Amino acid sequence: KAGVTQTPRYLIKTRGQQVTLSCSPISGHRSVSWYQQTPGQGLQFLFEYFSETQRNKGNFPGRFSGRQFSNSRSEMNVSTLELGDSALYFCASSLAGSTDTQYFGPGTRLTVL
Amino acid sequence: QQQVKQSPQSLIVQKGGISIINCAYENTAFDYFPWYQQFPGKGPALLIAIRPDVSEKKEGRFTISFNKSAKQFSLHIMDSQPGDSATYFCAASRPSSGTYKYIFGTGTRLKVLA
Repeated sequence: KAGVTQTPRYLIKTRGQQVTLSCSPISGHRSVSWYQQTPGQGLQFLFEYFSETQRNKGNFPGRFSGRQFSNSRSEMNVSTLELGDSALYFCASSLAGSTDTQYFGPGTRLTVL
Repeated sequence: QQQVKQSPQSLIVQKGGISIINCAYENTAFDYFPWYQQFPGKGPALLIAIRPDVSEKKEGRFTISFNKSAKQFSLHIMDSQPGDSATYFCAASRPSSGTYKYIFGTGTRLKVLA
């Protein structure tokens, strides 16, 4: 099976812009979670989607949003970008969430200038 | 109460030595404790995981030791190899809204010298 794919791999944006990141989970996986990774904070949970519904949410401002499509593909959107949003963003897919093994994608590196 | 504190931040071990990474948590609602391994340019990958009903779990050279009363758990890498050089993250999760919510430690960068 193909692994989790994320596009694009690299992004450079300026403050105030918005950005959309895409994630294609492993075939058959219905749960997609998003994480932000920064050197100081490590991996922080953004949100989880299951069957097109947001099932869990981390402590991030409303500028961070996501959605999941019927084929389980997911997108994450960040509006009004701030310098502090510069980070690696990972999505992870699993069969149904819970303690099913999460398989992480290669990440998207977002740089906000 | 939601934090998972991980130490050390970095670790250098000689080939063949034992690498030990520690994590501590406060929320007793956590009931699943996975460890992830991340190589540069890659996403984290599940290494080994434990539930609090056991005190130790071993898979090959990797062992998790779990101390429920102290709310601590640790990863031991026996016979450490240069190929183990990576960043290791502990995590803790608890049931939330029908699924699990993961809290990650800040990571330990391990370097194994040949």
